[in-house]
Amino acid sequence: EAGVAQSPRYKIIEKRQSVAFWCNPISGHATLYWYQQILGQGPKLLIQFQNNGVVDDSQLPKDRFSAERLKGVDSTLKIQPAKLEDSAVYLCASTDLLSGNTIYFGEGSWLTVV
Amino acid sequence: SQQGEEDPQALSIQEGENATMNCSYKTSINNLQWYRQNSGRGLVHLILIRSNEREKHSGRLRVTLDTSKKSSSLLITASRAADTASYFCATVPADRGSTLGRLYFGRGTQLTVWP
Repeated sequence: EAGVAQSPRYKIIEKRQSVAFWCNPISGHATLYWYQQILGQGPKLLIQFQNNGVVDDSQLPKDRFSAERLKGVDSTLKIQPAKLEDSAVYLCASTDLLSGNTIYFGEGSWLTVV
Repeated sequence: SQQGEEDPQALSIQEGENATMNCSYKTSINNLQWYRQNSGRGLVHLILIRSNEREKHSGRLRVTLDTSKKSSSLLITASRAADTASYFCATVPADRGSTLGRLYFGRGTQLTVWP
């Protein structure tokens, strides 16, 4: 079974530029998450999708971050304009009822804002 | 805060020794999960324990859960150098009413196993 795929793996941008990350969840997983992990900290949820609907985006800085999951499969997370404090790993994860609550994570997209 | 908090923040042991990491949390949970993260990599799910369970085993891993104390422990027996990684506990709150609730992570324990 293929895992959660993310791209790009690494990105360096200047502040005020924009960046987009892509995620392809495990096939058939209806629930998709984006987490932000700052160096030395645990992941923090940014947004949760159920199919193509948003379940929870309370922690998403909506003035600069946006996410969508068209057709309930792939998802993109965009940051515009980026700030220095956005430097972090952006982790995509997915799950479904058959996983018994196990949430599977991708390898992450590492963002450095300079 | 609902997030779990791991203790200790860092642990350094020799190969063959056992490693014990603890996690405390503040609210009622549906389940608690432990993850491993190697440097520069994503999170790997290790084990899930439900609120009505007290202990689970998986290979060299043993997890306990004490809901009265709101704490959990992860024991890695006969540790290997390859076990060197950060270990996170994550909780799914009971008040979500959903089996697909969000995970609240702690800051993690950095385990170093010396050959």
